[in-house]
Amino acid sequence: TQLLEQSPQFLSIQEGENLTVYCNSSSVFSSLQWYRQEPGEGPVLLVTVVTGGEVKKLKRLTFQFGDARKDSSLHITAAQPGDTGLYLCAVLALNTGNQFYFGTGTSLTVIP
Amino acid sequence: ETGVTQTPRHLVMGMTNKKSLKCEQHLGHNAMYWYKQSAKKPLELMFVYNFKEQTENNSVPSRFSPECPNSSHLFLHLHTLQPEDSALYLCASSPPLSGRDYDIQPQHFGDGTRLSIL
Repeated sequence: TQLLEQSPQFLSIQEGENLTVYCNSSSVFSSLQWYRQEPGEGPVLLVTVVTGGEVKKLKRLTFQFGDARKDSSLHITAAQPGDTGLYLCAVLALNTGNQFYFGTGTSLTVIP
Repeated sequence: ETGVTQTPRHLVMGMTNKKSLKCEQHLGHNAMYWYKQSAKKPLELMFVYNFKEQTENNSVPSRFSPECPNSSHLFLHLHTLQPEDSALYLCASSPPLSGRDYDIQPQHFGDGTRLSIL
């Protein structure tokens, strides 16, 4: 089993639609990050959330950290083709050292 | 331009070859990482260096050998690889690790080396 499960795994939508992707775990984390990876490039950090229930907005992207700090969601309003990419959540778990764990990823395609 | 440069971008090698991947960061960071990204699998952390000292080795086979001569450069030496080692290898850097799980640092990634083992 994966530490971080993301859903859906794949998502294809039309430009202008709204969507939400999820990152879930049975473990509690002090903080969580979201990255976006475009084809042929490395992941780029979008946001870090650190407080249970925290909501952060980045233009049309809204990130929420669950109250229990076990899960997070990313909502995109009026998706655009430029939003196409692989969305990854990541946490730092120190149970065995400096262990960064990434989620399974959601591959988003926005069709013009 | 992310500030983290990886070379080469693509590498094809036979199982008996020896090659090295290079990563250089111009961000003044003191932590550097190697990740493996395979199809249908999550990004896997391989090695972590903090102030040039290796802090993590996630049970990576000895055919992968990292080297961090200074805080700006990171190498991954490869020898006698297997076909299942074909993947995208990503380097990242960040401010130094504090050892506190609430002190998660932003990682800056390079664009990776696409490795194919014949």
